[in-house]
Order: sequence, then C-alpha cells, then structure tokens
Amino acid sequence: RKEVEQDPGPFNVPEGATVAFNCTYSNSASQSFFWYRQDCRKEPKLLMSVYSSGNEDGRFTAQLNRASQYISLLIRDSKLSDSATYLCVVKPPSGAGSYQLTFGKGTKLSVIP
Amino acid sequence: DAEITQSPRHKITETGRQVTLACHQTWNHNNMFWYRQDLGHGLRLIHYSYGVHDTNKGEVSDGYSVSRSNTEDLPLTLESAASSQTSVYFCASSAGLNTGELFFGEGSRLTVL
Repeated sequence: RKEVEQDPGPFNVPEGATVAFNCTYSNSASQSFFWYRQDCRKEPKLLMSVYSSGNEDGRFTAQLNRASQYISLLIRDSKLSDSATYLCVVKPPSGAGSYQLTFGKGTKLSVIP
Repeated sequence: DAEITQSPRHKITETGRQVTLACHQTWNHNNMFWYRQDLGHGLRLIHYSYGVHDTNKGEVSDGYSVSRSNTEDLPLTLESAASSQTSVYFCASSAGLNTGELFFGEGSRLTVL
C-alpha cells in the first residue's frame, strides 16, 4: 500500500457544485495532515491544515478519520478559481526524518462554467 | 517581502553534463528542501537541510548532491545529468520542524537530452 493515496481525477464539476476529495495514508502513527493546492505549472501552496476535530476555512472543510486513516477535503459552492490540483500531505511521527513530508500525487479539479 | 527564488527557471542540457540549480530564500529559514515532480509520481524529496553545513538524503537522492554554506542558499547539483533526471524541480523552505507549511519556489524545469 502506498504511503499516501489519492484519486487522481479529474473531477469535472459545474460552478456552484459541492465536491469532496479523499486521501488515505498507510502509517497509522502519522502526526499531522495538510492539503496543498497547486495551480497548473505553478508551485504548491498550503491550503489548510487538517485537525482531528475537523476544521473549516470559508467554503473549504477538512476532516480527519484516524481510525480509517483517511483525510477529506470538501469544497462548497465551487468557483472557477478553485480549478487546480489538490495535494494531500502527511507528516510522519516524531523522530528521525519526521520532517520529511509525504505528498500524495494529487487530485485534479476542473470547475466548469 | 521575503521570498524564495530558483534559477534557472528552464534549462536544457545534454546527458553527462554537470548542472546546478540555484535556490535562494530570504525568509531566514533554517530548513530547506529539494523536490522533483514527475507525472505519476507526485513530489519526491531529493535532499534536505536543517541548517548551515547540514545536508541529508531524501527518497530519491542518487545522482544529486547539495551543499549548505549559508542560511539563504541550497544549490542542487546533478553531477552527470541523465535523461531520467528530466523533471520539474522545486526548492522549498520552512520556519520550523513542527509546521507543515513549506514555502516553495516557482520551480526549475530541466530537460536532459
């Protein structure tokens, strides 16, 4: 099983739709979780951290299910500007190499007018 | 404003040549990283550094080297470029070991013919 797995998509959704991405991770001792956004031919940028209790940032909601080892990102009321690739990122447990973030391959989202 | 810059942004070279990609950050971050991004693989860690004179191998370090003589710079050298090293290279930095926020440069697209 790969360390971090994401559905590559693409997800093609109309403006205003709600879309959800899931990500699974293999190391149950993983410490922290994040979603990054990468626009086409651009660098990745942190979108939001994922907290155990779930967290929201405007139209974006991130959730963590430690028991099932998956993370989700929900985008409500999709905008054209949300079109990008969303990367799931996992931080391993404390210890040697604990800062080596593991990136998923990304899920591509296209929001259609 | 603080930033992280990479150069060159695009480079074409021949197999066997030595290539150096520069990375310069003005955040005064101790932690710096080099990743490569390829279709089907996502971001993979090449080398990283936690401070001046500290360097560590990442997941895909063979054929690459780095040096850290000051806080601001982490150049990546391909000693003898191979076609398998054709990729987009991203440099990143971070303020601390517990944060999941990496600040990425805009990337360097390298083609090895």
